[in-house]
Formats: sequence, C-alpha cells, structure tokens
Amino acid sequence: SAVISQKPSRDICQRGTSLTIQCQVDSQVTMMFWYRQQPGQSLTLIATANQGSEATYESGFVIDKFPISRPNLTFSTLTVSNMSPEDSSIYLCSVGGTEDYGYTFGSGTRLTVV
Amino acid sequence: DAKTTQPPSMDCAEGRAANLPCNHSTISGNEYVYWYRQIHSQGPQYIIHGLKNNETNEMASLIITEDRKSSTLILPHATLRDTAVYYCIESGGYNKLIFGAGTRLAVHP
Repeated sequence: SAVISQKPSRDICQRGTSLTIQCQVDSQVTMMFWYRQQPGQSLTLIATANQGSEATYESGFVIDKFPISRPNLTFSTLTVSNMSPEDSSIYLCSVGGTEDYGYTFGSGTRLTVV
Repeated sequence: DAKTTQPPSMDCAEGRAANLPCNHSTISGNEYVYWYRQIHSQGPQYIIHGLKNNETNEMASLIITEDRKSSTLILPHATLRDTAVYYCIESGGYNKLIFGAGTRLAVHP
C-alpha cells in the first residue's frame, strides 16, 4: 500500500487567514482525494484531485474556498481560504487503492480556527 | 449520500468474535464492499474488501450474502485495541469513497 505524508499535522489559525495542507505519496497514484471531518462527525469528501486538470468538487464545496493543486502524480495541496471557526476540522488526504488493497489515508491535519 | 446502513453502536467482550453487519441493498454489480475503521484521532485504516466471494486476511473476515445486499465483518478475537468506528462502504473499483456514520464498536474487558 502507498505511504502518505501529510503536513502540517495540526495548526491553530486566525480567522480570515488561509492554510495550505500538503499531501505527499511515496508512489505515483492516479487519484487523490481530500476529506473533511468535523468534530464528532464522519468523513465528508471535499474533492477529487486530478493530475493535469482541475479538481472535481462535491456538492457544497467550491474552488474559491478550497483550492486544490495537483502538480504531479505524487503530490497535492488543499488550501482552506478565508477561514472561520466553522472550518475547524480534521482534513485528510487519500489515494486510490489497487485490486488487492483499499484506499490509503493520511494521518490528517487538525485545524483549529480562532 | 452514503448508500450503506449500519447499526450506530455495538459492544463486544474482549477475546470474543465481533460481528459487524452492513446493509447495501442498492449495490451495483461492479461495486465492491470496503471496510475501514477509524481509531480516535487517526486516519481511517483499511481492513478488507470484497466483490462477491467471502474474503479473509490477517485482520478480519468478510462474509457477503449471495444476493450481495448485505455483509458482515468478523473480527475473530476482539481486543481492546479494536475499539473504533467501523465503516462499510460500497464503491465501484477506483471510484471515490463516500462514508456513512459507521458503527462505533466498544470492546470491553
């Protein structure tokens, strides 16, 4: 299975600022995904990051708020823009699996907006 | 929205088998059943997946009914470290995973 390094692991940010989260994979992968997990809730898919094209966003998420970059097959970033306390969540990246192994998740970025 | 249904919580005694059910009555022919678990404050951990046949690995067994409308994840000898939220997800191969609420499993001494 792929190994994912996600940075930062946690951060405390001021409202109105932006934070960029990085996701590095140890092998080339076609599909990368970004999720949000609000306190006490399940994971919600934000978008699918496609290499060489714009990300595909799920309903309720927009590019202006969550811009995503995917410059190559091993790296992606998610930016949380103009943050408010409601953005306080854990953000996770994930990469697609194979026939023999499922999707792999990073350890997450715990964001607190004050 | 998630298409699977799981009980919100279950209990299991340490050393006993934990059997976690999942209903996926609208599953398509090319969709797999994936099981993940999330231990507090960690990223989801892959457990097992299957299409039609029962599957077993070092972590668990997956039993899928013949009509594929439901499945059961079996942890044969539950330990305290198996306390987690368990998610059953249906997904077509390399498509995105949509998480439901999952089952909160508590393993007690």
